[in-house]
Amino acid sequence: DAGITQSPRYKITETGRQVTLMCHQTWSHSYMFWYRQDLGHGLRLIYYSAAADITDKGEVPDGYVVSRSKTENFPLTLESATRSQTSVYFCASSETSGRTAGELFFGEGSRLTVL
Amino acid sequence: GEDVEQSLFLSVREGDSSVINCTYTDSSSTYLYWYKQEPGAGLQLLTYIFSNMDMKQDQRLTVLLNKKDKHLSLRIADTQTGDSAIYFCAGRGQGGKLIFGQGTELSVKP
Repeated sequence: DAGITQSPRYKITETGRQVTLMCHQTWSHSYMFWYRQDLGHGLRLIYYSAAADITDKGEVPDGYVVSRSKTENFPLTLESATRSQTSVYFCASSETSGRTAGELFFGEGSRLTVL
Repeated sequence: GEDVEQSLFLSVREGDSSVINCTYTDSSSTYLYWYKQEPGAGLQLLTYIFSNMDMKQDQRLTVLLNKKDKHLSLRIADTQTGDSAIYFCAGRGQGGKLIFGQGTELSVKP
């Protein structure tokens, strides 16, 4: 089915381990985003990408790495997971801003627990 | 950078109107948005307003924009239990990124 999908939906890991959250979209949207959602903080932008091979930091990038070798994929890696990275992670995509209202389409989220 | 603030909770009775408020700092946002998040799901766009508009109405939803005070509000008329959700306002920051408020949890009591 077309859309934006995240995997895994649920992940439990231990402190210090590397974790990669996958995000795939089928619309060929230029922009892709990673947010984390925590109680009391709403959604905070981790990284975003305006096109393949172009990425930029958001509000809370420390401890995360992203890549965008293909337009449709935008994986998020926690190089050495910490308990403070326990959160729900949302991937989103949108058309190029400026041509449209720039609606973001969200995946269903990946709930990560770091023990 | 863009900063967006919302109150965290709102409780209303079914059939009443709900008004969710938001303030933002960056007046260069071309569009301002309201997203809805139901339990266990991602966010979905509810409505948006172009920055040169003062008001936008869409069925039960009314968006008001006060550019001078950098204040955005969402009014839901005849609120139903199905409207219970978290509502996020958002504005575009530099580079096209969307910056969200903390979200307002709307609870609708029968």
